[in-house]
Amino acid sequence: AQSVTQLGSHVSVSEGALVLLRCNYSSSVPPYLFWYVQYPNQGLQLLLKYTSAATLVKGINGFEAEFKKSETSFHLTKPSAHMSDAAEYFCAVSETVRNTGKLIFGQGTTLQVKP
Amino acid sequence: NAGVTQTPKFQVLKTGQSMTLQCAQDMNHEYMSWYRQDPGMGLRLIHYSVGAGITDQGEVPNGYNVSRSTTEDFPLRLLSAAPSQTSVYFCASSYGAGTSGSDTQYFGPGTRLTVL
Repeated sequence: AQSVTQLGSHVSVSEGALVLLRCNYSSSVPPYLFWYVQYPNQGLQLLLKYTSAATLVKGINGFEAEFKKSETSFHLTKPSAHMSDAAEYFCAVSETVRNTGKLIFGQGTTLQVKP
Repeated sequence: NAGVTQTPKFQVLKTGQSMTLQCAQDMNHEYMSWYRQDPGMGLRLIHYSVGAGITDQGEVPNGYNVSRSTTEDFPLRLLSAAPSQTSVYFCASSYGAGTSGSDTQYFGPGTRLTVL
């Protein structure tokens, strides 16, 4: 079965520091991977997705993620954190075994940005 | 385009009451789904639909019913509300009917439900 694990439920960084949010997946087939962001009291918004093209994926708001098959990872990074990046971030894998379109989410990581 | 809309934004129910959470999209998407979000558990799929007249169960379907009579609408019905159904509910849609799994899903703003 496919699954996603996000390491660290809370991450705190200073403004201007590197942001690194970790995501590891489990999948028996080549996965489609997503990062979503959720601002307080809002729905989820797509940051970026990996669909088996380039392994380094660039998204919105300066975020990027690198697909590493050998490590089964899809970590999200941003070189310099901004106060507006404070939000909850979800990594997800698309259920491809039966092609249901179902997204399997990690538990989420809350990013705090300190001034 | 309004995207994915959900009503109501907030709802308080008493145990045993029934209600319908509304979801609509104006993007002509085939695929629609309902998730619930609980602290520390991410989002879990309740039901989904790959097109009008076709629905299927997700990970946590018990206590919920859905139907899809039109492409635009995908209501979620709580038959007899229980405190365990206190959660935030999100509706999502995507263009493809799960044909490849790579389609972006667009989420509504959510409905915050409390069951007393």
